[in-house]
Amino acid sequence: AQSVTQLDSQVPVFEEAPVELRCNYSSSVSVYLFWYVQYPNQGLQLLLKYLSGSTLVKGINGFEAEFNKSQTSFHLRKPSVHISDTAEYFCAVSLNSGGYQKVTFGTGTKLQVIP
Amino acid sequence: EAGVTQSPTHLIKTRGQQATLRCSPISGHTSVYWYQQALGLGLQFLLWYDEGEERNRGNFPPRFSGRQFPNYSSELNVNALELEDSALYLCASSPYGQGNSPLHFGNGTRLTVT
Repeated sequence: AQSVTQLDSQVPVFEEAPVELRCNYSSSVSVYLFWYVQYPNQGLQLLLKYLSGSTLVKGINGFEAEFNKSQTSFHLRKPSVHISDTAEYFCAVSLNSGGYQKVTFGTGTKLQVIP
Repeated sequence: EAGVTQSPTHLIKTRGQQATLRCSPISGHTSVYWYQQALGLGLQFLLWYDEGEERNRGNFPPRFSGRQFPNYSSELNVNALELEDSALYLCASSPYGQGNSPLHFGNGTRLTVT
């Protein structure tokens, strides 16, 4: 079975400062990795995904993530955050199990950007 | 392209009643997923439908049930509502239920049980 760990439940950061949101996963098979963002009173939106190839993945809104297979991590980064980045961020792993998709989400990290 | 739509946006019920939540996936998507997002508990997987069949369910009691219609829209039913069922219920769809497909989410139905 796979699992996803987001160690930081809340991350406060000043506007224009860099941020890293951590995600570690465990799985006995190869997985696909995703980051989603949830703004207040909305559903989740896809930020970026890692399927294969280059381990550095760029997403929307200036976010990027790096897949590290040896450390089983997929940390999300942004060099300079804006107030509008205040939201909750979810890491997810997905794999094919018995011919079907199985998705596991982390518990989420609330990013609070301080003006 | 229209996104995933959920109705109603808000639903208020009393304990013991039944709630019905609806979801229309993105056109061409055959897989529909339901998640419960209760305060402080993250996203809990409820049910997954693909091609009209229930493919998997999470660790929820049988009073949580649903179905998928021939047009791939889906309905989640919660019977004998309890106070702890109060949560945001999110529906998501994907094109073919394969591991490399991202999920596309609706904005959810906020269910309040009093």
